[in-house]
Amino acid sequence: EVQLVESGGAVVQRGGSLSLSCAASGLTFDEYTMHWVRQAPGKGLEWISLISWNGGSTDFADSVKGRFTISRDNSRNSLYLHMSSLKIEDTARYFCATDMTPLMIRGRLDNWGQGTVVTVGS
Amino acid sequence: EIVLTQSPATLSVSPGQRVTLSCRASQSIRSNLAWYQQKPGQAPRLLIFAGSTRATGIPARFGGDGSGTEFTLTISSLQSEDFAVYYCQQCHSWPYTFGQGTKLEI
Repeated sequence: EVQLVESGGAVVQRGGSLSLSCAASGLTFDEYTMHWVRQAPGKGLEWISLISWNGGSTDFADSVKGRFTISRDNSRNSLYLHMSSLKIEDTARYFCATDMTPLMIRGRLDNWGQGTVVTVGS
Repeated sequence: EIVLTQSPATLSVSPGQRVTLSCRASQSIRSNLAWYQQKPGQAPRLLIFAGSTRATGIPARFGGDGSGTEFTLTISSLQSEDFAVYYCQQCHSWPYTFGQGTKLEI
C-alpha cells in the first residue's frame, strides 16, 4: 500500500520561508513523478508543482513561480517543497501526490497524502 | 493556462438519482481530463482519467465522457457515500489546472 506523509507545516510570517516534506513508502519512489497540490481553507484544489521521477523536469503554477522550488531525494524516498516570500494567500493545506504512471509525466494523481497545513500571518 | 469551468457549483440530489456534472475547458485538451472526489477532511481520490477510464477500485456507477472542451461525469445511481465535492483536472499541458468543483448535497 502506498503511503505519503507530509510534514513541515507551520505558522509563518508574511515574507518568510518554509520547507515541506513528503515521505513516501510502498512504491518504487524513483520511478514516479511527484506533485504538490494545495487547498486554501474552504476553497478548491490548486495544482502547484511537479518534479519528474529523476528530478530532470519541474514545473510550477504561475502563482508560486519564482518563490517556490521543488526537489526530491530518491535515496530517502522523499519529496520537498521549499517556499519563500510567503504571502497570505499561500495559506492552505498542502498535499503531495503521485503521478499514476511510472517513468512518465501524465498528471493523473492517484495516491495522495493527508496534507500539512501552512498558515501565513501578517 | 487552461481554465476549467465546472457546473453547477452545487447540486441538490437524492440517493438513487442519476446525476451529471459538467466540466468545460477553455481550449481543447483532447481526452486529457481526470475527475476526483473529495469528502470533508479527506484527500482527493482519483475517479476517472483519460476522460472515461475508471481508476482502480472505482465503482461502475461512475462514468466519464467527453473530449475536446466538453466533459461530463455521470453517477448512475447516487449512494449515500457519493455526497462530496467533485473536481475535474486537465492533464493536457503544464501547468495542470483544476476546475472550481461541484458539490453534491442532499
